[in-house]
Amino acid sequence: DAGVTQSPTHLIKTRGQHVTLRCSPISGHKSVSWYQQVLGQGPQFIFQYYEKEERGRGNFPDRFSARQFPNYSSELNVNALLLGDSALYLCASNSWGDPGANVLTFGAGSRLTVL
Amino acid sequence: LAKTTQPISMDSYEGQEVNITCSHNNIATNDYITWYQQFPSQGPRFIIQGYKTKVTNEVASLFIPADRKSSTLSLPRVSLSDTAVYYCLVGGGNTGFQKLVFGTGTRLLVSP
Repeated sequence: DAGVTQSPTHLIKTRGQHVTLRCSPISGHKSVSWYQQVLGQGPQFIFQYYEKEERGRGNFPDRFSARQFPNYSSELNVNALLLGDSALYLCASNSWGDPGANVLTFGAGSRLTVL
Repeated sequence: LAKTTQPISMDSYEGQEVNITCSHNNIATNDYITWYQQFPSQGPRFIIQGYKTKVTNEVASLFIPADRKSSTLSLPRVSLSDTAVYYCLVGGGNTGFQKLVFGTGTRLLVSP
């Protein structure tokens, strides 16, 4: 089975631009979470979606938004990019309500560089 | 949300046992304790999870005392490939909700 897949793997944007990152969860997982990891720090929670509904939101500005599609894939959108948005963006999926539901499987991430 | 405290870094040699302790004084009743491993430019990878007492799998053991205010990840006979950052997290319960808080982790360096 394929793991969590993210695209693109790397991208470079300039300040003020918009970016869309995509994530496909493990087959059978209905929950997707997004994390931002700045170099040298641990991942910071951005969003969690389950059944197309937002179930949790971290301390990020409204420039960050996300959605989940009927096939449980997800997009993370960031508007008006700032230099500080440069980071590794991680997507993770997990099941819900099942034994082991709280174990996250992460993708390899999308490395965003804002110039 | 329960906060965790871990050593910033640890050094070891190949073949040794490594124990990384994590403090989580305000762990909630339904919180699980989960450890992840992360290599540079990769997503974290699940190592082990427990609720109480001791859990062992093919790569590690997790020791949790009765008060659950701390936990210890034990890596037997480490190799160079175990050089990574290790994160201790508490939370999740059993619903699937995952607003997990990663700390800065423990940077383990294994030398020959």
